[in-house]
Amino acid sequence: SQQGEEDPQALSIQEGENATMNCSYKTSINNLQWYRQNSGRGLVHLILIRSNEREKHSGRLRVTLDTSKKSSSLLITASRAADTASYFCATVLGRRALTFGSGTRLQVQP
Amino acid sequence: DAGITQSPRHKVTETGTPVTLRCHQTENHRYMYWYRQDPGHGLRLIHYSYGVKDTDKGEVSDGYSVSRSKTEDFLLTLESATSSQTSVYFCAISPDRAHEQYFGPGTRLTVT
Repeated sequence: SQQGEEDPQALSIQEGENATMNCSYKTSINNLQWYRQNSGRGLVHLILIRSNEREKHSGRLRVTLDTSKKSSSLLITASRAADTASYFCATVLGRRALTFGSGTRLQVQP
Repeated sequence: DAGITQSPRHKVTETGTPVTLRCHQTENHRYMYWYRQDPGHGLRLIHYSYGVKDTDKGEVSDGYSVSRSKTEDFLLTLESATSSQTSVYFCAISPDRAHEQYFGPGTRLTVT
């Protein structure tokens, strides 16, 4: 079974709006990562947040991590049509490899 | 795609035939991974390698084998392909287990 699960499964917004995606996981983690996948392409790493961090920024991306609730959120501000993609969270624990969720499909309408 | 190539990019094969997918990296990263991606399942780890000739199973390893005889190459073999193995296969690399991973472009495999 998957460690991380994203919510919502699909999200449609207008260009310029903010998009928020959530990820819940089941066990303790070392770090949590967010990836983007454009249609027909491989995944691209966006941001990594460690278990002792609560918030991290990268350009228009803001990631939060609440280890007490075992959840993370990815906020994309001022979205663009080019942000249309699927977004995945992935978690790392100990010696295990990354475990991915099933993703959120984001559609940004121009 | 961070110095990762996969070959072939597309393949159609018949049930029962052997298939080998190749992942090649130019980054000299220690870890290499094979995932499959199916609708509704996200990415699921098949096998991974943490060094030459060092491999371990992932969550969906049945029906798959791997080999890594050189740092730069990681092969995934379906000994006898089945229709349930129709999927998109991604290779990824990373310098260590907890680090971010870099993905290849994927191989679309269809087993008829």
